[in-house]
Amino acid sequence: GAVVSQHPSRVICKSGTSVKIECRSLDFQATTMFWYRQFPKQSLMLMATSNEGSKATYEQGVEKDKFLINHASLTLSTLTVTSAHPEDSSFYICSARDLGLAGNYEQYFGPGTRLTVT
Amino acid sequence: QKEVEQNSGPLSVPEGAIASLNCTYSDRGSQSFFWYRQYSGKSPELIMFIYSNGDKEDGRFTAQLNKASQYVSLLIRDSQPSDSATYLCAVSWGFSGGYNKLIFGAGTRLAVHP
Repeated sequence: GAVVSQHPSRVICKSGTSVKIECRSLDFQATTMFWYRQFPKQSLMLMATSNEGSKATYEQGVEKDKFLINHASLTLSTLTVTSAHPEDSSFYICSARDLGLAGNYEQYFGPGTRLTVT
Repeated sequence: QKEVEQNSGPLSVPEGAIASLNCTYSDRGSQSFFWYRQYSGKSPELIMFIYSNGDKEDGRFTAQLNKASQYVSLLIRDSQPSDSATYLCAVSWGFSGGYNKLIFGAGTRLAVHP
């Protein structure tokens, strides 16, 4: 099956620093990847849609200058949390679609990155 | 504003029983419906998806869709303690091209006790 990896799995950083999270599709090409955020005991909230070779599309209320997304290749998207603050502490999850499979609408999720800002 | 509603639970069922999880959605244009299972601290994993009205069965799982009532459910037969998790309902629209945004419900926590 399609595998999506994320790195790092867990990161602790000081307030004011920036953190980069990588999302990779390991065995398929993903022209579109999605970034979600999940706070404790809450559901996944879509932050943005990352499109290879173009600018990301951000959901309402998500600051694009704070959450920088780069989709530089068909297998890699990165999310950079700039000037992180404790309220950015959350579980960040990416997903990807394998558009090479006709009729496949499943999103494959990465294992998630636990960000803690102190 | 597209919304997906689920009862947060917990839903407690004895081992071997049928667990019934329900989800309603607000957008009549929704076309794709997904059930994900999420264990604590882990990312979601897809259980089933359904597009057409009626039932769809896969092993111990049955998804039911009623577009007229804007209602989708998941039945888990012969529930096992390993089924204890949070079940997320997700709704999407559009079938082809571009991308399909998923809107998730808050999830229902299922507890299967021996």
